[in-house]
Amino acid sequence: KQEVTQIPAALSVPEGENLVLNCSFTDSAIYNLQWFRQDPGKGLTSLLLIQSSQREQTSGRLNASLDKSSGRSTLYIAASQPGDSATYLCAVRAGANNLFFGTGTRLTVIP
Amino acid sequence: SAVISQKPSRDICQRGTSLTIQCQVDSQVTMMFWYRQQPGQSLTLIATANQGSEATYESGFVIDKFPISRPNLTFSTLTVSNMSPEDSSIYLCSVAGTSAPNTGELFFGEGSRLTVL
Repeated sequence: KQEVTQIPAALSVPEGENLVLNCSFTDSAIYNLQWFRQDPGKGLTSLLLIQSSQREQTSGRLNASLDKSSGRSTLYIAASQPGDSATYLCAVRAGANNLFFGTGTRLTVIP
Repeated sequence: SAVISQKPSRDICQRGTSLTIQCQVDSQVTMMFWYRQQPGQSLTLIATANQGSEATYESGFVIDKFPISRPNLTFSTLTVSNMSPEDSSIYLCSVAGTSAPNTGELFFGEGSRLTVL
């Protein structure tokens, strides 16, 4: 069974710093990997989707990479802002309905 | 992308009662998914709601506890039956993107936060 791990579980950084969130998965046979943002008590907002054939995707200050062979993905956030404070989840799709979520990294950006 | 509306956004319920959560999508979708997120945990798939057929439940989830309806391609409901405090969670509705090309990107509603006393 696919297992998805996110490290660190929590992270605090001062405003303006660049930061990297990590996601690892145990089975490299995936269709895609998706990064989400979740604000407290709310639903998930899709940030970036990387197909299994892709190496990275970029959207604004966000850049996600995928190394399928090593079972890793990173989410890079440039010039962090207090509004970036949230929990970031990665999810790996292993089949039509099989989406495996990590437990998330809770990010706090300090003004 | 898809715009997903869920009702209620939150509720406080008594043990032994049932609550129905509604999910409305702004476009027709083949499959809708229901997830549960228990406090401090990540998301777990409850079931896939298929239009015109019974929902497909994941291991550990049964129809008697979580009956699902899917009357058309834009709407689904999830009922949490005979609730106990262990059912306190955020329940989330999700669909795959409807725009071409179909990338398999998933979109989520705002969630329904349920507290059972």
